[in-house]
Amino acid sequence: GESVGLHLPTLSVQEGDNSIINCAYSNSASDYFIWYKQESGKGPQFIIDIRSNMDKRQGQRVTVLLNKTVKHLSLQIAATQPGDSAVYFCAENRGTYKYIFGTGTRLKVLA
Amino acid sequence: EPEVTQTPSHQVTQMGQEVILHCVPISNHLYFYWYRQILGQKVEFLVSFYNNEISEKSEIFDDQFSVERPDGSNFTLKIRSTKLEDSAMYFCASRATGSSEAFFGQGTRLTVV
Repeated sequence: GESVGLHLPTLSVQEGDNSIINCAYSNSASDYFIWYKQESGKGPQFIIDIRSNMDKRQGQRVTVLLNKTVKHLSLQIAATQPGDSAVYFCAENRGTYKYIFGTGTRLKVLA
Repeated sequence: EPEVTQTPSHQVTQMGQEVILHCVPISNHLYFYWYRQILGQKVEFLVSFYNNEISEKSEIFDDQFSVERPDGSNFTLKIRSTKLEDSAMYFCASRATGSSEAFFGQGTRLTVV
């Protein structure tokens, strides 16, 4: 079967520290993976994606790592800020037409 | 900044009634999606739509669901006979050709009583 899931439901991080959110997937045929951020009462917001032929991709304060050997994806947020508090979903895209979302990790930033 | 717009923000309906959820995707996007999110759970794919037809649908998207693009800007999701378990947040999303980024609307909270 196919599944995209997350190791931890809640992650608490001190403001200014780095955050690492993990995701496991089972389907090797995915074209690329996406991280979404969902703030309370809002729709998911695209953060960053990574193609299946890449190992690492960096954005502004975020880095996504893809380990295809163990089918593992991570999102690293540098210098976590209060505005980073949200639920983070990994999602996989296969082909053109749909995204499969994981169960989500809630990130809490502690002042 | 362009955005996906959904209306209404909250819809309360009686069980067995029909509801239509409205979405205005970003104007130059060609791929459209509906997702739902039951409270506290993950975002679930319902259906994708491209070139005026359904591209793919999930097992959730049964005969009580339908989608339509009635004109050049709107994209609707109809639930024919609502059930209590249809209560959820429904998100519309759109995506441009060649981009991996799907833009989501703010969602419509559907409450079936």
